[in-house]
Amino acid sequence: NAGVTQTPKFRILKIGQSMTLQCTQDMNHNYMYWYRQDPGMGLKLIYYSVGAGITDKGEVPNGYNVSRSTTEDFPLRLELAAPSQTSVYFCASSYPGRAGEQYFGPGTRLTVT
Amino acid sequence: GDSVTQMEGPVTLSEEAFLTINCTYTATGYPSLFWYVQYPGEGLQLLLKATKADDKGSNKGFEATYRKETTSFHLEKGSVQVSDSAVYFCALSDPGNQFYFGTGTSLTVIP
Repeated sequence: NAGVTQTPKFRILKIGQSMTLQCTQDMNHNYMYWYRQDPGMGLKLIYYSVGAGITDKGEVPNGYNVSRSTTEDFPLRLELAAPSQTSVYFCASSYPGRAGEQYFGPGTRLTVT
Repeated sequence: GDSVTQMEGPVTLSEEAFLTINCTYTATGYPSLFWYVQYPGEGLQLLLKATKADDKGSNKGFEATYRKETTSFHLEKGSVQVSDSAVYFCALSDPGNQFYFGTGTSLTVIP
């Protein structure tokens, strides 16, 4: 049981490049989330999903896209990377109705230069 | 709307000192309350939770009591260790399953 896995662990992008951050969970959780954490700051919700085929915007969705074709996977796409997207990205999952008990992945540290 | 406010950090304590990290909340309904911990270089982990008033959550020597009258959920530990050095996040989940994190409090414990 691996929990929530994220790839890659680290990535450096040039301005204007695109990439996909991968997130997979093996706990059969319906709910999945993407957060970003800027240095010394709390977490901000980017997007979330309550099940396959259903996604919704969080607090800071601009510059990102998501899809949820399976229960297990919830990739985050960055189009036209900007320095403001330099951050640590965390994926999390939870059971329905238990949004407070989230399981987090180890994070992806992204630098845009 | 619902929100969580936690004390500013950073907090630096000597080993075996008593720890309190304050957390207060604003909610229209009856939320569940949580403390998460983030060790350096890792993702967040659920530390403890309380789902109704007067509940006490506890784990790894940490405790927090859900106080409805003061809308608080302060985190306490009687004797901290160097291994407790981390960032601690208070969080709230409302009955509609909306979830709110506090801004985090960094704790450093020195030998």
